[in-house]
Amino acid sequence: GQNIDQPTEMTATEGAIVQINCTYQTSGFNGLFWYQQHAGEAPTFLSYNVLDGLEEKGRFSSFLSRSKGYSYLLLKELQMKDSASYLCAVLDSNYQLIWGAGTKLIIKP
Amino acid sequence: GAVVSQHPSRVICKSGTSVKIECRSLDFQATTMFWYRQFPKQSLMLMATSNEGSKATYEQGVEKDKFLINHASLTLSTLTVTSAHPEDSSFYICSARDPGGVETQYFGPGTRLLVL
Repeated sequence: GQNIDQPTEMTATEGAIVQINCTYQTSGFNGLFWYQQHAGEAPTFLSYNVLDGLEEKGRFSSFLSRSKGYSYLLLKELQMKDSASYLCAVLDSNYQLIWGAGTKLIIKP
Repeated sequence: GAVVSQHPSRVICKSGTSVKIECRSLDFQATTMFWYRQFPKQSLMLMATSNEGSKATYEQGVEKDKFLINHASLTLSTLTVTSAHPEDSSFYICSARDPGGVETQYFGPGTRLLVL
């Protein structure tokens, strides 16, 4: 079966750095997405990785290792507004998006 | 990024009535749109894939006669929840696929449905 694993919840301190991991087992791979979802709102697109390596976009970076079936989202200089759920999703060989359950990130002052 | 709108943002209806939710891609043409449902503190659940000009593809366990999807144009898809029941109360979110080559989905703001 297809499976995406990410931690259920993480806590970090304002101004710090946090890394949210995602491992996947899917039938084929056509890219991995990270989305941010604030409570009561729809997800917003953060990043897309299809090749191995690190993609940096401001305070957020996303890393992919296809051989390990592994990705992480790195958030630097954490702000209170970064408190949200972070969803990892993989595009499989049929171009279907397989969603993780999301990681709830709690930022403390 | 691409902009997707959804209307209404919130609806309360009586049990047994039907509710229509519209999803529009505002600045691009979307041949494919997706409808999701999300219950509190749970992940997104794909309900169906809507293709312009053809029948929607429903996920296993989703009743196509209850959740009617129409994708009549390249910028509009509608989801009609027929004969709504309290258990249909949920957050319904549509998304549209980026036509620019990358398979990014951009989400509408969602519709919160409460069936009394």
